[in-house]
Amino acid sequence: ILNVEQSPQSLHVQEGDSTNFTCSFPSSNFYALHWYRWETAKSPEALFVMTLNGDEKKKGRISATLNTKEGYSYLYIKGSQPEDSATYLCAFENYGGSQGNLIFGKGTKLSVKP
Amino acid sequence: GAGVSQTPSNKVTEKGKYVELRCDPISGHTALYWYRQSLGQGPEFLIYFQGTGAADDSGLPNDRFFAVRPEGSVSTLKIQRTERGDSAVYLCASSSPGGPSTIVEQFFGPGTRLTVL
Repeated sequence: ILNVEQSPQSLHVQEGDSTNFTCSFPSSNFYALHWYRWETAKSPEALFVMTLNGDEKKKGRISATLNTKEGYSYLYIKGSQPEDSATYLCAFENYGGSQGNLIFGKGTKLSVKP
Repeated sequence: GAGVSQTPSNKVTEKGKYVELRCDPISGHTALYWYRQSLGQGPEFLIYFQGTGAADDSGLPNDRFFAVRPEGSVSTLKIQRTERGDSAVYLCASSSPGGPSTIVEQFFGPGTRLTVL
């Protein structure tokens, strides 16, 4: 059974704080790692798709790194804003698996207080 | 352009009833996926369509669950004899076809929250 773990489960920060969370996934048969942001009552929004060991991607104040050999990815948010409040999901895609059979973690719920 | 839409947004039903959940994918997306997120869990894969056919239905939990996509566009997830454990958010996503050695980005709808009383 393929398992994807995210930590912490929830996080409360003040506006302006920088924060990061972790996604752990199987290091074998790696194909891709997806990060999504899911605000309440909205659709999950794709942030990054990462495929190469050592990949680092950035989108505004949000960035992510990938280590496929040890099986983890970090998501960083610099200078958190209240609009960053959401659940951040990572999803593992394994080589040889069915297209679209993403294996999700339980998410990290971020709350940013003004 | 319009994103993935799902109807209804909320559905409350009684144990034992039949429900249908609808997904309208992004126009031109041939691939369509259903996931289910139970309370405290991450989304779990249910089924994936490529065109009209189910390419992978390994995630359907039992034979009470069935999904169709008769014209390769709109899909309906059908649940018979609902149970309280079926209560969850049902997410639909769509993507371009993909292919060997390609990574496809899935575009999600807002989900249908199903509550079985």
